[in-house]
Order: sequence, then structure tokens, then C-alpha cells
Amino acid sequence: AQSVAQPEDQVNVAEGNPLTVKCTYSVSGNPYLFWYVQYPNRGLQFLLKYITGDNLVKGSYGFEAEFNKSQTSFHLKKPSALVSDSALYFCAVRENSNYQLIWGAGTKLIIKP
Amino acid sequence: SQTIHQWPATLVQPVGSPLSLECTVEGTSNPNLYWYRQAAGRGLQLLFYSVGIGQISSEVPQNLSASRPQDRQFILSSKKLLLSDSGFYLCAWTVDTGAAYEQYFGPGTRLTVT
Repeated sequence: AQSVAQPEDQVNVAEGNPLTVKCTYSVSGNPYLFWYVQYPNRGLQFLLKYITGDNLVKGSYGFEAEFNKSQTSFHLKKPSALVSDSALYFCAVRENSNYQLIWGAGTKLIIKP
Repeated sequence: SQTIHQWPATLVQPVGSPLSLECTVEGTSNPNLYWYRQAAGRGLQLLFYSVGIGQISSEVPQNLSASRPQDRQFILSSKKLLLSDSGFYLCAWTVDTGAAYEQYFGPGTRLTVT
């Protein structure tokens, strides 16, 4: 069965430093992977997705994610963090057999000035 | 462009009262629609999804129900609310663009059952 793990409950980064939010997955077949961001009391916003092709995917707000098939990972990255990047981040994988996404538990990202 | 609306934005209801939350999508046709609940600002729990008018799949047995009376309208209901129904309710949509199925979310409804 497909699954997604976000091993860090919270990530703390100083403003201006690079950030990484980790995600690992387990799927049968080709993975379709997604990252979303949620600001307090808001709906989730789509950041980026991997379907096929280049392992480095670029998305909104300067974020990118690296797909690593051998390590079954899809980590979210940004070269220089902003305080405004502080939010809850979700990784998801598409369920092969239907129209659903399987969600990670979320990682709270805190960027300190 | 497509937009998704949810209302109300916030709701405070007593235990045992009925519930009706509405979600509508504009700018697309025949979307797949989803209701999620998010407790304590964390993980998402899929409650219902629909691939067409009148077609509802339930993921979690509970006192909630969903209906899709029109192509772009999705309603979440309850006859009698429980304290455990409190949470942040999110509606989402997607269309078949080939392989992606990324979902787009509404602004959410904060429900507090007292």
C-alpha cells in the first residue's frame, strides 16, 4: 500500500539559511508526488509536483524538491529561507487505483529572524 | 481561472444541532470533489469524495454525510453534531489532466462544537 512519511514534526531554520523538509514514500509503480503549504487558518496551497523527468522540480515561492528514486525520497528545499516561509508543509503521493492523495502528517517549519 | 468557495468561514454550533457546509467550484466542469477534516492544525483526514453528481464515496464511518446535487457543488451535512466533529473542514477539487491529480483547496471552515 502507498504511504508517505514526514519524519520531522518541526524544523527550525535561521532566516537566510537553506532549508530542507524531508519526505519519504512507498508506492507500487511510478510515484506521483506533491508538496503543499498551509498558513494558519488557511486552505492548503499547491507548491509543486513530480510526475516524471528531471529529478529537480521547481515550484512556487522559490521552493524546489529533489526526487530520489533509490532513496524513495522527495525532500523540499529552498536555498535561502524567509520568515514568511514559516508554515505547515505537507507531502503527498497519488494513490494509483483511484483519485485520492495519501498525505504525510505535516512538518511545521519555523524560520527565525 | 478556477476558484473554489467555502462557507461559512467560521461556525459555532451546540452539540446535537444540524450542520450544513457548502463548497462550490467555478471555472471547471466535472471536477472530482473532496471533503477533508483537519484536527488540531495537523494531518488531513479524507471524509468523502465524489467523481460526479450523486456519486459519493465515504472514507470514514461517522455521523457526517455528503451530497453533490450539482456538478460543482458539494455539501457536508450532519443531523446531530458531536463534540468530536470540531475541526477545520476543507473542500478540494481536481480534474483529470492526465496523470497529475493535484488537488486545489478552498479556504476552509472552522467548526467549533460546544
